[in-house]
Formats: sequence, structure tokens, C-alpha cells
Amino acid sequence: AQKVTQAQTEISVVEKEDVTLDCVYETRDTTYYLFWYKQPPSGELVFLIRRNSFDEQNEISGRYSWNFQKSTSSFNFTITASQVVDSAVYFCALTCHTGNQFYFGTGTSLTVIP
Amino acid sequence: KAGVTQTPRYLIKTRGQQVTLSCSPISGHRSVSWYQQTPGQGLQFLFEYFSETQRNKGNFPGRFSGRQFSNSRSEMNVSTLELGDSALYLCASSLSWLAGLYNEQFFGPGTRLTVL
Repeated sequence: AQKVTQAQTEISVVEKEDVTLDCVYETRDTTYYLFWYKQPPSGELVFLIRRNSFDEQNEISGRYSWNFQKSTSSFNFTITASQVVDSAVYFCALTCHTGNQFYFGTGTSLTVIP
Repeated sequence: KAGVTQTPRYLIKTRGQQVTLSCSPISGHRSVSWYQQTPGQGLQFLFEYFSETQRNKGNFPGRFSGRQFSNSRSEMNVSTLELGDSALYLCASSLSWLAGLYNEQFFGPGTRLTVL
């Protein structure tokens, strides 16, 4: 069975602080894909990153970075020097190699206080 | 380039009624996926259509159905509405099927359905 757990329901940080959003996944597949999406108040999910199970390299994109660790089944997301515009709900998602279904976590609501 | 559009944006229905939601994908995209988002269950995959055929389906009852037209526009229908069907219904488009696996998914703003 596939499952994604985002234990942090809500996080509040003061602007310019760093924040890490946790994502733990479960799957029996050896080939799978992990995603992060951002959902601002407008409602549209915005794709942030896709990572396959064979690529454990961490990735950095501007103020965003992702730490993928198969040993702990985690795919954590860090925002450095947070800004008010980062306030949104962030979802971690998983799909297996057949890609026939997406499994989303319950999301983490991030509030950045100016 | 226009994004994914969903109509209507808001809808209020009563139990027992049926509802049809519409999604127009990004021009050139042939895959459309539907998701239900509720506070309790989070985001759940409903189904994916590609080339007018349902390719994948989530774990939802038969009251939830959909279709895709030759221009890739898609409709989702929910019959015999229940209170628990109140949710934000999101549509996502992608260039080809197995959306998200090989191609990025682009989401629409959603249709907020309230069942009274």
C-alpha cells in the first residue's frame, strides 16, 4: 500500500527564518516518484519538484531545497529565509512506477509572519 | 498561454441532486485528472482521462463519473449527491497520460461544491 504522511499540520515562522516541512512515505515498489506541490490561497496547486527513487541527490532551487533519504523513507522540504509569499499549504505526493494513481499527504499549512 | 480553467468556481446543491463540473485543459494537453480535496480526507485521486478514455481510477463509488471530449475538455459528474461530497474538486492537465509521472501536472483553481 502507498501512503504519504505529513505529520506537521500547521507551522508558523517569522519572516527570514528557515523552515523544514517533513514528508514520510510508504511503498513496496522499488521504483516510485515523489513530488512537492504548493497550494496558495487561490487554490491552484503549483508543482515544485519531482524526484524518482533512484535519485537520492539533494536538490537546491533558490531558497528551496529538498532532502531525499530512502533509508528513512523521507523527502523533506526546506525553505531558507522564508518570506510572506511562502505562506501556503504544501503537499507531498507519491506515485509508483505505473503512475496510475497519486497519493497525497494531508498537507502542511505554513504561515510566515512578517 | 492560458492555464487550466474550471467552471463553475462555486456550486451549491442539495442532497440527492446531481452535478456536472467542467475542466478545460491547457491547449495541447491531452490528459485530464480529477481530484477531490476535503479537510478530512485531503487530496484524493478520482480518475484520469486521456484521448477520451478513462485510463486510471481511484477508489470512489460509481456515483462519480467523468468523460473527456475530442477537444480534451473533461466533465465530471456526481449523481445522488451526499453531504460528504462537499469538497474542492481540482482538475489537472498534462501533455500525456500517466500524468505527473512523465509530465508535469498543471492544476486549475478548482470548483468548490457545497451540498446542503
